Amino acid sequence: EAQVTQNPRYLITVTGKKLTVTCSQNMNHEYMSWYRQDPGLGLRQIYYSMNVEVTDKGDVPEGYKVSRKEKRNFPLILESPSPNQTSLYFCASSQGPGLAGGVSWADTQYFGPGTRLTVL
Amino acid sequence: QKEVEQNSGPLSVPEGAIASLNCTYSDRGSQSFFWYRQYSGKSPELIMSIYSNGDKEDGRFTAQLNKASQYVSLLIRDSQPSDSATYLCAVNIRTGGFKTIFGAGTRLFVKA
Repeated sequence: EAQVTQNPRYLITVTGKKLTVTCSQNMNHEYMSWYRQDPGLGLRQIYYSMNVEVTDKGDVPEGYKVSRKEKRNFPLILESPSPNQTSLYFCASSQGPGLAGGVSWADTQYFGPGTRLTVL
Repeated sequence: QKEVEQNSGPLSVPEGAIASLNCTYSDRGSQSFFWYRQYSGKSPELIMSIYSNGDKEDGRFTAQLNKASQYVSLLIRDSQPSDSATYLCAVNIRTGGFKTIFGAGTRLFVKA
């Protein structure tokens, strides 16, 4: 079954304790992305990756790190979590933007089930 | 100014009616446009994607794009109670790579 998985699904932690949320996809997608979702703010992109070893900042990268050493995995790292990072986190993947006749397009993003993080 | 704006709603329509959801975006470099549906506590799932001006129909759903007005909409015909959800408008912008900007979403209630 084609899917994006995230672990853990729920996590309660304390300020300053490093944590990693894993994301894995089995669709051989090139593009992967992390979002956080907060009430009234919608989904905001944290980081994205166009391919292995290629990552870039989204709109809210402060306090987060990512790495893309393998095509299927894209972990999100919080080196020193703070209460303002309490949120619902989604990982997503897609085949990635393609170029056809000079016109760029992007494929559907498939989302993982979400990780609800609480930082006390 | 938010880059992607949606009316937060809630939008309430009776069963069988047409639900109209609207979205405006600010970046003229936007190239791909998406509507996602999100049920409470679940992850977003794609309803429609549209890349060029005009209408695109898929079953009960029609997406409309007007790049000159920087406007994209979603029409849901014959609305069903199961359509009750939050609808997210998303825009992809090329920035060397590309990034995705989501609107805050519109909550839709379909009354039986």
